[in-house]
Amino acid sequence: AQTVTQSQPEMSVQEAETVTLSCTYDTSESDYYLFWYKQPPSRQMILVIRQEAYKQQNATENRFSVNFQKAAKSFSLKISDSQLGDAAMYFCAYRLRDDKIIFGKGTRLHILP
Amino acid sequence: DTGVSQDPRHKITKRGQNVTFRCDPISEHNRLYWYRQTLGQGPEFLTYFQNEAQLEKSRLLSNRFSAERPKGSFSTLEIQRTEQGDSAMYLCASSHPLAGDPYAFFGPGTRLTVL
Repeated sequence: AQTVTQSQPEMSVQEAETVTLSCTYDTSESDYYLFWYKQPPSRQMILVIRQEAYKQQNATENRFSVNFQKAAKSFSLKISDSQLGDAAMYFCAYRLRDDKIIFGKGTRLHILP
Repeated sequence: DTGVSQDPRHKITKRGQNVTFRCDPISEHNRLYWYRQTLGQGPEFLTYFQNEAQLEKSRLLSNRFSAERPKGSFSTLEIQRTEQGDSAMYLCASSHPLAGDPYAFFGPGTRLTVL
């Protein structure tokens, strides 16, 4: 069975600094997708960044980038120039092609002014 | 707004009552998912549909839970004889495998409180 593990329940970062959130997953499949979702307090879950497993190049979206290590089954999220609006729960998620999404337990990110 | 919508946004009920939630996916999204999220945890998969067919149900979905998507558009999730342990946020999401973007769009959720 596929699993997603986020080993950091909470993290804090100073505003304007860089922070990296960790995620590992377990699968025997070769074709899948990985995502990072952001869920601000009492607000809707939104997609931050996605990565197709067949792509070797790490995905980037403005201040957000990932370090995808397929052999190690690792998918970390780096947030550069942290802003107060980045404070939220961040969920790492895995999806087989045409299948359900499996989420990690999340990492609560605090931004210190 | 053409996003995923859920109704109601909040529901308070007494233990033993039945509740029903509705989800309207993004138009033409043929996949619809239900998740349950308890406080401080990640969403847990409950079930999903492709069009009107229910493809998979989690073992979390006890026999008190039933989900339908009769015409392949909106979906309902019913919980019978609610228990305090059912208190959670129920999230709906939709996606279209052939749309070029494999990720799912989430609705705002229905927060259920069972007293």
